Amino acid sequence: AQSVTQPDIHITVSEGASLELRCNYSYGATPYLFWYVQSPGQGLQLLLKYFSGDTLVQGIKGFEAEFKRSQSSFNLRKPSVHWSDAAEYFCAVALLKAAGNKLTFGGGTRVLVKP
Amino acid sequence: GAVVSQHPSWVICKSGTSVKIECRSLDFQATTMFWYRQFPKQSLMLMATSNEGSKATYEQGVEKDKFLINHASLTLSTLTVTSAHPEDSSFYICSARDVRDSPSYEQYFGPGTRLTVT
Repeated sequence: AQSVTQPDIHITVSEGASLELRCNYSYGATPYLFWYVQSPGQGLQLLLKYFSGDTLVQGIKGFEAEFKRSQSSFNLRKPSVHWSDAAEYFCAVALLKAAGNKLTFGGGTRVLVKP
Repeated sequence: GAVVSQHPSWVICKSGTSVKIECRSLDFQATTMFWYRQFPKQSLMLMATSNEGSKATYEQGVEKDKFLINHASLTLSTLTVTSAHPEDSSFYICSARDVRDSPSYEQYFGPGTRLTVT
């Protein structure tokens, strides 16, 4: 069965520093990949997505992610973190269409931003 | 565009009563909607896939008689928690796929509904 792993449960970063969140997936074929952000008590907002093509994907709020097939990874990065980036981040993988277009989510990484 | 709303955003009910949560796609049509449950500080767990005009498909371990899903139109799906108990207290999030998105697998998420059963 496919799975999505986010190895880091918590990450604390200083404001202005760079951020990298890891995501690894276990899946037979190249999946569709997503990164979502969730603020406390809120729904999910899509940061970026990868379907095909250029493996470096640009998203909103200055985030980018790189798909590495050889490592089955889709890590999220931001060069300079702002205090408003403190939130929970989820990596997700879309299953094959036959499976109903379902998303499988990683466990999430909580980002804390120090002033 | 692609806005999904949920109502109510927060509800408290007494044990044994039923609660209905609405999920609406405001500016697009959604043949497929999804219902998730999220426990504090945990990830989203898919409960069921709701298809307009047909029965919902429930994930393994989810009681379909407990969590009734109705997708009566292309813009509305409802989740009814029947005979709610304190262990049903959770954050419920819906999402929807735009019928025009193909072959995108993107889902647009609602803001969530926090259910507390006393």
